[in-house]
Amino acid sequence: AQSVTQLGSHVSVSEGALVLLRCNYSSSVPPYLFWYVQYPNQGLQLLLKYTTGATLVKGINGFEAEFKKSETSFHLTKPSAHMSDAAEYFCAVTPYGGATNKLIFGTGTLLAVQP
Amino acid sequence: ETGVTQSPTHLIKTRGQQVTLRCSSQSGHNTVSWYQQALGQGPQFIFQYYREEENGRGNFPPRFSGLQFPNYSSELNVNALELDDSALYLCASSLVEVDTQYFGPGTRLTVL
Repeated sequence: AQSVTQLGSHVSVSEGALVLLRCNYSSSVPPYLFWYVQYPNQGLQLLLKYTTGATLVKGINGFEAEFKKSETSFHLTKPSAHMSDAAEYFCAVTPYGGATNKLIFGTGTLLAVQP
Repeated sequence: ETGVTQSPTHLIKTRGQQVTLRCSSQSGHNTVSWYQQALGQGPQFIFQYYREEENGRGNFPPRFSGLQFPNYSSELNVNALELDDSALYLCASSLVEVDTQYFGPGTRLTVL
């Protein structure tokens, strides 16, 4: 079975500060990993994904994440927060080689950016 | 390229009623998945349709059913609505059943 744990349901940073959102996964098979962002009253937008290959993945809006198999982690970072980054962020996993791409989501982290 | 669209945006129903939600896939995508997102939670997988056949189902009762049409648009039907069915329902499409999913804006269902 697969699961995702997002540490910290709320994270607050100052504008210009480093953003670090934590995600740990559990999977009995090689995982595909995703970060999605959700702005208020909207659907989910794909930020980035890891499938195979390079473990440091760059996404949109200056975000990146590193797949660390030994730590079963896929933390999301951005060097300098912007006010427009305030949103809810979801980490998700799906099994590599599965019959479907069913996504298993974490409970989300709400990012607040203070001026 | 047209993204995933969903209708209606908002819906209010009473307990026991039935509801149909609609989704149009992104152009060229033949797979649709539906998710339920309760307030303060991450989305939960309901089911997936690939080439008009159900291709995987989450832990949801049979009163949640779906259809996919030849043009790859989809419907989610929920019978005998319960208060706990109040949620944001998200549709996602992908090129094939194992590819990256792209989400629509969702339908907010309120059951009174």
